[in-house]
Amino acid sequence: QQQVKQSPQSLIVQKGGISIINCAYENTAFDYFPWYQQFPGKGPALLIAIRPDVSEKKEGRFTISFNKSAKQFSLHIMDSQPGDSATYFCAASDPTGGSEKLVFGKGTKLTVNP
Amino acid sequence: DAGVTQSPTHLIKTRGQQVTLRCSPISGHKSVSWYQQVLGQGPQFIFQYYEKEERGRGNFPDRFSARQFPNYSSELNVNALELDDSALYLCASSPVGRAWNGYTFGSGTRLTVV
Repeated sequence: QQQVKQSPQSLIVQKGGISIINCAYENTAFDYFPWYQQFPGKGPALLIAIRPDVSEKKEGRFTISFNKSAKQFSLHIMDSQPGDSATYFCAASDPTGGSEKLVFGKGTKLTVNP
Repeated sequence: DAGVTQSPTHLIKTRGQQVTLRCSPISGHKSVSWYQQVLGQGPQFIFQYYEKEERGRGNFPDRFSARQFPNYSSELNVNALELDDSALYLCASSPVGRAWNGYTFGSGTRLTVV
């Protein structure tokens, strides 16, 4: 079963607009929630991350909102730019079994039109 | 500073063959993790190694194996290749293998099985 559900699958916004990507999880053992950005032909790159005891984290134009009780978290990209066009993955760290493996969502392909 | 280095970048193999993929972590990082990313999906955890010991294994068949060497580089081996093994194989480097420390991904090896 898919442990981290991500939506939407694709997103088109205009330059200067706000991009919002949502994720939900079920496993309460997850203890760290990073977002990754991936450009074609490249590996995922860490964008921003949050711990479950924090409700919001902001770094520049990127903000994570985290709702522990609802088991949901989201990425907001303010003032979206064409250079932000990429695939975004939410992830959750699963510490069970001795390793801290990342469980990824299926990704959101963001296109920012100039 | 050099990032995570993976080789080869591309590989074409025939069904039933064996393949070895290589990863050199960031200098000073002692943990390497392997992920499989099928086209259009998020990466899926295969293995994590720390200090040459296997720390965790994902839900992959025994055809998949890995090891980490004294210099912390790693190899992923896949035997008896199947068509479904076609994917981007990503190596993630980390200081101690903890998510909050950050995982840095390489650009991956694109494996095509024909």
